[in-house]
Amino acid sequence: DAKTTQPNSMESNEEEPVHLPCNHSTISGTDYIHWYRQLPSQGPEYVIHGLTSNVNNRMASLAIAEDRKSSTLILHRATLRDAAVYYCILLRYNQGGKLIFGQGTELSVKP
Amino acid sequence: GAGVSQTPSNKVTEKGKYVELRCDPISGHTALYWYRQSLGQGPEFLIYFQGTGAADDSGLPNDRFFAVRPEGSVSTLKIQRTERGDSAVYLCASSQPGTGTNEQFFGPGTRLTVL
Repeated sequence: DAKTTQPNSMESNEEEPVHLPCNHSTISGTDYIHWYRQLPSQGPEYVIHGLTSNVNNRMASLAIAEDRKSSTLILHRATLRDAAVYYCILLRYNQGGKLIFGQGTELSVKP
Repeated sequence: GAGVSQTPSNKVTEKGKYVELRCDPISGHTALYWYRQSLGQGPEFLIYFQGTGAADDSGLPNDRFFAVRPEGSVSTLKIQRTERGDSAVYLCASSQPGTGTNEQFFGPGTRLTVL
């Protein structure tokens, strides 16, 4: 399974943008980049995913490097409710969609 | 509509006992996944069902762990002869393949404590 590397923790101030990096240097051409987050005492929830092009949705934006060896999840205005562990996951659909979680990045948001 | 539900929310058992953990997926979702999460770690894949059959059980740690999904909806994870190392939060997720995002919807988990 292709691996991802994320910082263990990051801090942000409320209402400021947050850029969460992820390295995936061994990504293959059929791997999609997925982001999930896990709020305290809850199951993970889907945030966004992409293959090659940058993506936007109501929760976040995903910027993917041209060589696809790294990506960045962007929260445009962090709120206290965004404090969570964020996981960057490579998903190869021919593997049945199972998610291989790493350690993730624990994001804390200061008021 | 209702999300993924899991019962019980907490289960305390003694070493050597048998436990069953239940997952009710979102109605209509054909794919169902079990994960377990130890304290301070990311979730770890256990098994994946597509319909009634286990399509990938490569994450089950040993033969004490077994899961079924007899009618393609509700699933039960069964653990025999529980050990203290089995203590973790067991998460269930469901998805509907082919919907574009392949998003998995997670339940709140069952916290299993083996004394």
